[in-house]
Amino acid sequence: DAGITQSPRHKVTETGTPVTLRCHQTENHRYMYWYRQDPGHGLRLIHYSYGVKDTDKGEVSDGYSVSRSKTEDFLLTLESATSSQTSVYFCAISERAGGSSYNEQFFGPGTRLTVL
Amino acid sequence: EDKVVQSPLSLVVHEGDTVTLNCSYEVTNFRSLLWYKQEKKAPTFLFMLTSSGIEKKSGRLSSILDKKELFSILNITATQTGDSAVYLCAGAYSGAGSYQLTFGKGTKLSVIP
Repeated sequence: DAGITQSPRHKVTETGTPVTLRCHQTENHRYMYWYRQDPGHGLRLIHYSYGVKDTDKGEVSDGYSVSRSKTEDFLLTLESATSSQTSVYFCAISERAGGSSYNEQFFGPGTRLTVL
Repeated sequence: EDKVVQSPLSLVVHEGDTVTLNCSYEVTNFRSLLWYKQEKKAPTFLFMLTSSGIEKKSGRLSSILDKKELFSILNITATQTGDSAVYLCAGAYSGAGSYQLTFGKGTKLSVIP
């Protein structure tokens, strides 16, 4: 399995509180992604990173921010959590994502977040 | 708007049956089609298909891509209870700085003894 960990694995928080989820990789892969998975919607991309300090928005980025200060860590922050952000959050990594080849994304174990 | 549609949404079969899962896609700047298997945890990678008409196989699983009809299928022969999972299809497209994936909603396969 790809060396990807997510923390925390489970979190319950209250509406309006800030929350930060961490994704840590030991593969030295350049590309990192944050997804959320909800029943009836499947996996949706929140933000992604194509290098240290290089990030961009995905399909459902409103209410989320990210930071990547070093290759191995990609942080997802909910500045003021809402009940609609209750979800399972997955981090993914990819070695290459451009040029003449594309490498598959490997997923972390997920974080189950409940916002009351 | 990009979209990936999987069918059926759910399927129940008996052990030993053969199943075919379908995936159609409309993805701008399409690069490849990926299949993942998700049990009660993170999705695990199965196949990536880039060229049309070339079948990829892994044991009892196989998959093929039709880039003209924008369609892919995943076949599982001689199903086992361990094949029970949600199978996800995703279209990879080139975007700013990276390739990204658009996922379908998945097909839930249940294999009963």
